[in-house]
Amino acid sequence: EAEVAQSPRYKITEKSQAVAFWCDPISGHATLYWYRQILGQGPELLVQFQDESVVDDSQLPKDRFSAERLKGVDSTLKIQPAELGDSAMYLCASSEELTDAATNEKLFFGSGTQLSVL
Amino acid sequence: KQEVTQIPAALSVPEGENLVLNCSFTDSAIYNLQWFRQDPGKGLTSLLLIQSSQREQTSGRLNASLDKSSGRSTLYIAASQPGDSATYLCAVYGRDSWGKLQFGAGTQVVVTP
Repeated sequence: EAEVAQSPRYKITEKSQAVAFWCDPISGHATLYWYRQILGQGPELLVQFQDESVVDDSQLPKDRFSAERLKGVDSTLKIQPAELGDSAMYLCASSEELTDAATNEKLFFGSGTQLSVL
Repeated sequence: KQEVTQIPAALSVPEGENLVLNCSFTDSAIYNLQWFRQDPGKGLTSLLLIQSSQREQTSGRLNASLDKSSGRSTLYIAASQPGDSATYLCAVYGRDSWGKLQFGAGTQVVVTP
């Protein structure tokens, strides 16, 4: 069964260092999402791509976070510099397409990257 | 702004009992509501998706209802098993937030043998 791939699975870094997370969505899925989940809370959307274009990055802290999906397939989320409050699970998800029909599309999530900032 | 609340935050039941998980949302203008399961340290798995025009969806031992006018959804899990132990999250897809799911904080379920 097709899956959303994420790496690394775990990342430990010191504050002020740079970190990067990678996501490969299910083949053919045009829409890709990056979510952040703090322990004990639900995921919150950071950025959403439709193909290679950013659809929504209103919740992305742009002074330190950046995201790209250059060829409309895999994606990278970067944090520079990392802060203690960035410790969380970073989840990538994908769905087939963001259209009217997609309002009933399920999201498929990867296993996430657990980030610890020391 | 849409707010999604799940009560209780945690629940423990003996094996065989039926589970009832609640989700409430403040804005009834939604496209759909989804229920997810999350195992510790893992990603989310979609369980059921209820369209705004539907009142319930069923899959095996799972049944989810939706009362859009009152802003409520309930997930029923029949004859619970220890393997059902996980965190269950609901999420709404609002008409005012195209493409953005608003999640609740989840209900952590433990089913004891």
